[in-house]
Amino acid sequence: GAGVSQSPRYKVAKRGQDVALRCDPISGHVSLFWYQQALGQGPEFLTYFQNEAQLDKSGLPSDRFFAERPEGSVSTLKIQRTQQEDSAVYLCASSFRQGNTEAFFGQGTRLTVV
Amino acid sequence: QKEVEQNSGPLSVPEGAIASLNCTYSDRVSQSFFWYRQYSGKSPELIMSIYSNGDKEDGRFTAQLNKASQYVSLLIRDSQPSDSATYLCAVTPGDSWGKLQFGAGTQVVVTP
Repeated sequence: GAGVSQSPRYKVAKRGQDVALRCDPISGHVSLFWYQQALGQGPEFLTYFQNEAQLDKSGLPSDRFFAERPEGSVSTLKIQRTQQEDSAVYLCASSFRQGNTEAFFGQGTRLTVV
Repeated sequence: QKEVEQNSGPLSVPEGAIASLNCTYSDRVSQSFFWYRQYSGKSPELIMSIYSNGDKEDGRFTAQLNKASQYVSLLIRDSQPSDSATYLCAVTPGDSWGKLQFGAGTQVVVTP
């Protein structure tokens, strides 16, 4: 595709439910990032992949959050036992070079936990 | 203290005037600096990157970087109503592989 594609665009989950958010980066982009954006705030870093290797997961807020990119392209962010504080927009971004942060963002997934 | 600080605004700018946005950062070894534009309900869009001290111009946008003062700014000349958005300053920390630290953003409102 022409840009970073995320699905679903919107997700409503009951508290305690597990969710999986998908990111399809720009073809050929080596680096992939996940960010969390709360209303009125800037995006907060969650995790970074270089190809299939997860090089930095320091931003994941708890062990309920897990991300993978098994073949170095599509990535999935999984949140187990969702809590209300997990409600946010989850943004995926990709960039062409290793560690290059001229990153292009997808449209995001808005997660609402009720 | 947040690592990247911006005035939240809103910054009201008459159409055709210059909008001036400021950003300070705390990590002295930061190397890469970016400005993103985010329309309401949309994702951030990269508009400028700057890596060395001085000015960088791209169309109506000029980014300015002063590493000694840990300060980066964005000027928008001939502001248009379509420039009304939130502008996010982002910095790559010195110890990172490429993650971005974002400020909370400055809301700009261009009035006709």
